[in-house]
Amino acid sequence: GENVEQHPSTLSVQEGDSAVIKCTYSDSASNYFPWYKQELGKRPQLIIDIRSNVGEKKDQRIAVTLNKTAKHFSLHITETQPEDSAVYFCAAKGNTGKLIFGQGTTLQVKP
Amino acid sequence: EAQVTQNPRYLITVTGKKLTVTCSQNMNHEYMSWYRQDPGLGLRQIYYSMNVEVTDKGDVPEGYKVSRKEKRNFPLILESPSPNQTSLYFCASTTGGLGTGELFFGEGSRLTVL
Repeated sequence: GENVEQHPSTLSVQEGDSAVIKCTYSDSASNYFPWYKQELGKRPQLIIDIRSNVGEKKDQRIAVTLNKTAKHFSLHITETQPEDSAVYFCAAKGNTGKLIFGQGTTLQVKP
Repeated sequence: EAQVTQNPRYLITVTGKKLTVTCSQNMNHEYMSWYRQDPGLGLRQIYYSMNVEVTDKGDVPEGYKVSRKEKRNFPLILESPSPNQTSLYFCASTTGGLGTGELFFGEGSRLTVL
């Protein structure tokens, strides 16, 4: 079945450094790739998404890149701040209604 | 205010006692879905619905039922709960029947089955 692998499971960076989280997916029909941020005790919220006809998308300090050939996509956060500390989930969706999430990455930004 | 509302937020129950977790959205969204969140496993989809009377299994549907009789409501039913269903449950919705778009999540329902 469809699968999304996310790495690393935990990531610790110094404030101001960059953070990169990577995901690979198995379903070659996947065409929508969102990223969600979940702060402690809160619900997940969308931070950025990309569709299969685009290779890269940026929104201020965050960017997502997609490599359809290799079936992987990545989240890049630049100039990290303590409020970026959270759990981040990638996800992939194909032509069905299923949205498959990765296992999550706990990002800690140390002041 | 646009929102997804789940009830109850917290529940402790015993094995075998049927329970229903309600989910309601006021955004006229076609797509609704249930997820469970467990440490190290991320968010796993239980069931989803692309529109009224249309439901389908996600990755972990065993032990759960759903119904979509009205557009705004998508209850999750545990007919005979077991301890392995202890988890944090999220309901979510988005516009468009395919579910391609921002998912709006409820606040979550923490269920403990003893």
